[in-house]
Amino acid sequence: DTEVTQTPKHLVMGMTNKKSLKCEQHMGHRAMYWYKQKAKKPPELMFVYSYEKLSINESVPSRFSPECPNSSLLNLHLHALQPEDSALYLCASSHEKRFRDDSPLHFGNGTRLTVT
Amino acid sequence: DAKTTQPTSMDCAEGRAANLPCNHSTISGNEYVYWYRQIHSQGPQYIIHGLKNNETNEMASLIITEDRKSSTLILPHATLRDTAVYYCIVRGSGETSGSRLTFGEGTQLTVNP
Repeated sequence: DTEVTQTPKHLVMGMTNKKSLKCEQHMGHRAMYWYKQKAKKPPELMFVYSYEKLSINESVPSRFSPECPNSSLLNLHLHALQPEDSALYLCASSHEKRFRDDSPLHFGNGTRLTVT
Repeated sequence: DAKTTQPTSMDCAEGRAANLPCNHSTISGNEYVYWYRQIHSQGPQYIIHGLKNNETNEMASLIITEDRKSSTLILPHATLRDTAVYYCIVRGSGETSGSRLTFGEGTQLTVNP
């Protein structure tokens, strides 16, 4: 079991759909992350939020729109995706760097997204 | 962040110790070594991390060489459930680089009965 909960576990969407992925943690972590993982590849960082503010955007296309409404929740809004965006989307959280320098990231089990 | 080099794959017999090596020859003094594993269809699981000293927890031991250029993750009594991809990651300090955890290709460990 993981302390980072992601919903839904699976999602199939068309290229014209709008959908959202959700992530929740109750460990008091103030840093939250989105990663993307293609099949048989390592996870790749997309976004980092620190104290509910976006601190890192790894040049992710605008069809992916992150949102951090409060310290426990992280959303990823999806719009006009392409089939090549099909992947496992992972959420993670950790203590913020200024609070604890070496805090490990704790990952959820991801949302497996298929774009048709 | 320093780059890491790991073998692509390793095998281990059930019940024996699994020793997973990692080279990080360009590591700098304020960079930590982290180990994660990922079992198929699950998210990465944190195992252990260290800076200079050897570390041990309920899952594994981490041995870091004195010059910090390499490390070894030890699973003392491997079970079939330890079959996974193991990632060795060097993570910097500071608000930007320290906020990144960058995964390499990892080592596929297969524990055989």
